[in-house]
Amino acid sequence: ELKVEQNPLFLSMQEGKNYTIYCNYSTTSDRLYWYRQDPGKSLESLFVLLSNGAVKQEGRLMASLDTKARLSTLHITAAVHDLSATYFCAVDILIIQGAQKLVFGQGTRLTINP
Amino acid sequence: SQTIHQWPATLVQPVGSPLSLECTVEGTSNPNLYWYRQAAGRGLQLLFYSVGIGQISSEVPQNLSASRPQDRQFILSSKKLLLSDSGFYLCAWSVPGEAFFGQGTRLTVV
Repeated sequence: ELKVEQNPLFLSMQEGKNYTIYCNYSTTSDRLYWYRQDPGKSLESLFVLLSNGAVKQEGRLMASLDTKARLSTLHITAAVHDLSATYFCAVDILIIQGAQKLVFGQGTRLTINP
Repeated sequence: SQTIHQWPATLVQPVGSPLSLECTVEGTSNPNLYWYRQAAGRGLQLLFYSVGIGQISSEVPQNLSASRPQDRQFILSSKKLLLSDSGFYLCAWSVPGEAFFGQGTRLTVV
């Protein structure tokens, strides 16, 4: 059974600091997604990483994927309060021919303090 | 562009009552559709997926069922709700490399 594990699960940090969220998964996959969820809201797509070595950046967030190590990271640079949210990684695996599903990590609740 | 409509946004239902949540997709044809549930403070769990009209697969045994009467319509149902059915339900569609979620329905069973 595929397992997707994020750490840390809770992260409280000060504005201006840098930090990294880690996402490990237990089976082969070439696609990994990062989502943001605000309280009571749906998931907002942040990044889709489609190959080994993929790196994507948007503003203060940067995501990378190492398929050999089965590891993805979400790096936060110079955090600001607006980035406070829960962040999920998800691994894309094949269910049947023509259909895949996302298996999610537990989520990392990020709180950024002024 | 593709959009997902999901309703209602919130729902409070008594134990034993029926449930029907609806999801429709625009801007794509023959999508793969999914129902996920998120328990409070947890990640998302896949409940059902569908690769075409009338084709439903269940990922976990539960008190819920799903139907796909039209290409871009996906319905989540229950005949009798349990307290444990409370949660945040999300409809999604995906193709390899892309996955989009509806706005979600927060269901509270009382």
